[in-house]
Amino acid sequence: KNEVEQSPQNLTAQEGEFITINCSYSVGISALHWLQQHPGGGIVSLFMLSSGKKKHGRLIATINIQEKHSSLHITASHPRDSAVYICASYSGGGADGLTFGKGTHLIIQP
Amino acid sequence: KAGVTQTPRYLIKTRGQQVTLSCSPISGHRSVSWYQQTPGQGLQFLFEYFSETQRNKGNFPGRFSGRQFSNSRSEMNVSTLELGDSALYLCASSLSRGNYIPYGYTFGSGTRLTVV
Repeated sequence: KNEVEQSPQNLTAQEGEFITINCSYSVGISALHWLQQHPGGGIVSLFMLSSGKKKHGRLIATINIQEKHSSLHITASHPRDSAVYICASYSGGGADGLTFGKGTHLIIQP
Repeated sequence: KAGVTQTPRYLIKTRGQQVTLSCSPISGHRSVSWYQQTPGQGLQFLFEYFSETQRNKGNFPGRFSGRQFSNSRSEMNVSTLELGDSALYLCASSLSRGNYIPYGYTFGSGTRLTVV
C-alpha cells in the first residue's frame, strides 16, 4: 500500500523567503501531483511529474524517482502563496488511485 | 471554458438517509474521480471512472457507490448516512493518456455534506 509523507506540516515564513516542501512516497508510482488548496476548499493542480523538474512562474517542482522523493519550491514567496500544499501520488490502479499526503499549511507573513 | 461543476454546494442530511451528489466534468474529459476530505483523515480517494467504467475504488464501505453516464457526468451515492460521513466531497475530471493514466486534474469546488 502506497503511503505519502509530507514535511513540514506547518510552515510560517516572511515575504521574500525561499520555501521548500518535501514529499516522500513508499512504492513505485506513475505520477506525482502537487496541489494547492485555499481556505474554502478549492483545489488547484499545480504540477504533475513523472521525472525531472518543472517550473511555472515562481514555483518549481522536482522529483527523484530512485529516492521516491519530490520537492516543491517557492521563490520570492508572497502572502498570496499562503495555502495548504498537498502532494499526491498515482500508482495506476487498485485501491490507490490518488494517495494524498496530509498537506503543508504555509503562511507567508508580510 | 467551464470548470468542473459539483452540485449541490451544501447539504444537510439526517442519519440513516441517503444522498446523491453530482459532478459535471470539463467538456472532453472522460475520467472522473471522487474524494472525501475530513479534518482527521485529510483527502482520501473514493473511486475513479473512465468511459462509464469504474477503474479504481478506494477503501470505503459499500454504502459509497458511484456511476458515470455516457456524457461523462458522474454521481456518487451514500446510503444509510452516518455522522462520520460529514465531509467535503470533491470530484476531479482529467484527460487520460492511452495507458489510462489520468493527467491534468481539475477539481470542482466540492459538496459540503453535514450529517446530523
